[in-house]
Amino acid sequence: RKEVEQDPGPFNVPEGATVAFNCTYSNSASQSFFWYRQDCRKEPKLLMSVYSSGNEDGRFTAQLNRASQYISLLIRDSKLSDSATYLCVVRNSGNTPLVFGKGTRLSVIA
Amino acid sequence: EADIYQTPRYLVIGTGKKITLECSQTMGHDKMYWYQQDPGMELHLIHYSYGVNSTEKGDLSSESTVSRIRTEHFPLTLESARPSHTSQYLCASSETSSGANVLTFGAGSRLTVL
Repeated sequence: RKEVEQDPGPFNVPEGATVAFNCTYSNSASQSFFWYRQDCRKEPKLLMSVYSSGNEDGRFTAQLNRASQYISLLIRDSKLSDSATYLCVVRNSGNTPLVFGKGTRLSVIA
Repeated sequence: EADIYQTPRYLVIGTGKKITLECSQTMGHDKMYWYQQDPGMELHLIHYSYGVNSTEKGDLSSESTVSRIRTEHFPLTLESARPSHTSQYLCASSETSSGANVLTFGAGSRLTVL
């Protein structure tokens, strides 16, 4: 079983739609959680950290469910510019490198 | 504005040549990483370093080697390039003190071996 699992998509949604991605992680000792965004042929960039209480940044809402070991990302009022691959990232305990999921591809269509 | 620089951005080279991909960061980060990513595919960690004179192999076996003689510099070397090495190589860095271990990536080096 992969340590971080995501539905690869693609999710094809119209502009203005609300879309949600889930990500599951296998290590119950995981400590920190992030969503990164990667545009086509570009490097990944941090979108937002995910806090236990849930957090919001404009149209983006991230939530963490430790009991079920999943993280979610909700995008409201989708824009064409939201089209990208969204990477779920987990930091385990100790001094180990971050673990990246394979990513979920989103295409927002006019 | 990039604080982590990779050169070359693009390289096309013949089989058997020695290649060094350069990565430098100006943020004073102690941790640096090399990832390999084929188009449309997942990131694979191939090497990382937690400080000067410290290097570790990542999850994906790689024929490349790395060195960390200076904090800001983390070059990756392929002694004899092969077509199977064709890929994008992404360098990243992070600092320990922030606690969050957020990665900053370079723009990548796209390697094609003929």
